[in-house]
Amino acid sequence: EDQVTQSPEALRLQEGESSSLNCSYTVSGLRGLFWYRQDPGKGPEFLFTLYSAGEEKEKERLKATLTKKESFLHITAPKPEDSATYLCAGTGGGATNKLIFGTGTLLAVQP
Amino acid sequence: NAGVTQTPKFRILKIGQSMTLQCTQDMNHNYMYWYRQDPGMGLKLIYYSVGAGITDKGEVPNGYNVSRSTTEDFPLRLELAAPSQTSVYFCASRTGTTNEKLFFGSGTQLSVL
Repeated sequence: EDQVTQSPEALRLQEGESSSLNCSYTVSGLRGLFWYRQDPGKGPEFLFTLYSAGEEKEKERLKATLTKKESFLHITAPKPEDSATYLCAGTGGGATNKLIFGTGTLLAVQP
Repeated sequence: NAGVTQTPKFRILKIGQSMTLQCTQDMNHNYMYWYRQDPGMGLKLIYYSVGAGITDKGEVPNGYNVSRSTTEDFPLRLELAAPSQTSVYFCASRTGTTNEKLFFGSGTQLSVL
């Protein structure tokens, strides 16, 4: 069964304290690994798509990487505005391209 | 550009009542999805549609129905609401290109009491 597991469930950082979020996946024939950010009371907002092992993508203080078994979201020198839930999702592609979501990591960055 | 719009934002239902959650998108996307999000659980797919007139079940379809008469609209119908349907519901859409990102609405928080 396809599965996506995120860790930790929650993470509290001091402003400027870098860290990484983990996303382990067992998705048959992975065609895409997605990262989304979700703020309280809002829908998920797209951050990155990774397609193959070794691929990296960056946006401001965030960098996503992908291996054959897991993906990491590295947060460098975070700011309080980076506080949110970060969701990971994988897809095996196909006609419908359905996503399998992890349960998310709740990140709190304290000033 | 409004994107994906969901109404209502909040709703309280009594057990056994019915309601329709509305979703409309103005991006001319072919693919539309309904997810539910429960605390500590990942987003679960309820129903999806690959175009007007075409719908299919997702992971957790029981107790729900959908229709897709136009490209823009994808309403979700709850018949005989149950406490287990208390959740936050998200509608999402994309063009249909392989591996393209989803655009999400802001959600409907539903409580069934």
